Amino acid sequence: GDSVTQMEGPVTLSEEAFLTINCTYTATGYPSLFWYVQYPGEGLQLLLKATKADDKGSNKGFEATYRKETTSFHLEKGSVQVSDSAVYFCALSDWNTGNQFYFGTGTSLTVIP
Amino acid sequence: ETGVTQSPTHLIKTRGQQVTLRCSSQSGHNTVSWYQQALGQGPQFIFQYYREEENGRGNFPPRFSGLQFPNYSSELNVNALELDDSALYLCASSLADTTYEQYFGPGTRLTVT
Repeated sequence: GDSVTQMEGPVTLSEEAFLTINCTYTATGYPSLFWYVQYPGEGLQLLLKATKADDKGSNKGFEATYRKETTSFHLEKGSVQVSDSAVYFCALSDWNTGNQFYFGTGTSLTVIP
Repeated sequence: ETGVTQSPTHLIKTRGQQVTLRCSSQSGHNTVSWYQQALGQGPQFIFQYYREEENGRGNFPPRFSGLQFPNYSSELNVNALELDDSALYLCASSLADTTYEQYFGPGTRLTVT
């Protein structure tokens, strides 16, 4: 079945450091891929998405490229800020399974000044 | 445009009891999905409703049931509560033709004692 495997955390970085959070997926069809962010005490917010192979999603300085050959969708940011501290979830939605969403376990990021 | 709202924010129930959680969709959205997020885990898909009918279900027992109303608001009902049902329950709304673009509410924290 469909699944998402996400880099385990927690991750602690200094401000302005480079961020990579790894995500790989397994899907039977042609999924859309997403990164969601969850700030403390809040619900999930869509950060970025890519709906087909080689698409790059980007938002707020974050980027991720849909790599079908490596079944990956790694999240990157060139210079993190304290305000980026949150939990990040990789997810997929596959029309083969009725657009059901599958989430990874989440990666907690703490950015220190 | 109002976002997705959920009530109550927190709830404490005893094992064996029944609970109803409520969700109001984002304005204009006709599809609602419910997720269970255990502590330290990613959200797990429970089911989705479209036009008042269940439109997909994850691996949850029948004691998890739902309703969607003509105004697209929704309820999640859980019977015979178990300790493992303690979790954050998230509701997400979307448009049927763009179900990959979900908007999440802040969640209801359910504690079963």
